[in-house]
Amino acid sequence: DQQVKQNSPSLSVQEGRISILNCDYTNSMFDYFLWYKKYPAEGPTFLISISSIKDKNEDGRFTVFLNKSAKHLSLHIVPSQPGDSAVYFCAASTQEGGGADGLTFGKGTHLIIQP
Amino acid sequence: GAGVSQSPSNKVTEKGKDVELRCDPISGHTALYWYRQSLGQGLEFLIYFQGNSAPDKSGLPSDRFSAERTGGSVSTLTIQRTQQEDSAVYLCASSLILAGGISGTDTQYFGPGTRLTVL
Repeated sequence: DQQVKQNSPSLSVQEGRISILNCDYTNSMFDYFLWYKKYPAEGPTFLISISSIKDKNEDGRFTVFLNKSAKHLSLHIVPSQPGDSAVYFCAASTQEGGGADGLTFGKGTHLIIQP
Repeated sequence: GAGVSQSPSNKVTEKGKDVELRCDPISGHTALYWYRQSLGQGLEFLIYFQGNSAPDKSGLPSDRFSAERTGGSVSTLTIQRTQQEDSAVYLCASSLILAGGISGTDTQYFGPGTRLTVL
C-alpha cells in the first residue's frame, strides 16, 4: 500500500508561470513532510520541508502548503524557471529527519518547464 | 566539503552472484540511510544506522540483503545471490543528528546512487 501518493507522473508548465505539485498521504502518524528534487543520474536534493504544526512554509520561490485534515500537501514554484525541470519527490516521516523508519517517498512528478 | 559518495556508480552482474555497494557519508554525520529506487517507483527505505547502534533490519527486502557500518562511518550494502528483481538504483543518505533534535539539522543528504543491473 502506497502511503505517499503523487498522482501526476508529469507536469508541463510555461516558464514564468506557477508550478503546483501535489501529494497525498494516508498515514496519520506522519508529522514531517519534505520535497526533494532530482536531476538524472544524481541523488535527490532537499528542497523544502514542513512540520504538521504549520500549514505553510516559504523559501524563496518555493512554498509548501499542508492541509492536515485532507492529508494533502502541495509545492508551489513561482515563477518557474528552466532549471526547475526535474523530478520532484514528496516524502513524509513520523520523526524529524526520518529516524529509524526513514523517509517514505512518493513515486515522483516529472516537472517540465517550457520556454 | 565533500558530499555523500557511493561506489561503484554502475554495477552489472549475473544472476546468482554477490555484490557489495559502498557508501561514504558526509564527514561528521552520525545517521546513515540506504534506499533503493526500482524503475518507475519512488525511493524505498531499506535500513538506518545511527552512530554505532545496531540497525533495525526489518526494512531489508529479504535475508539475501545485509548491511554494515564500520567505525560509525563507511557503510556497505551486500546482496547475496542476486536476482533480476534486485535491479534498481541503490541510494545512500546521511544526516547530522544533534542531541535534542534541533530543527533543521536532520536533513538527509543523498549520494548519486549505484545503478545495479542483474542479468
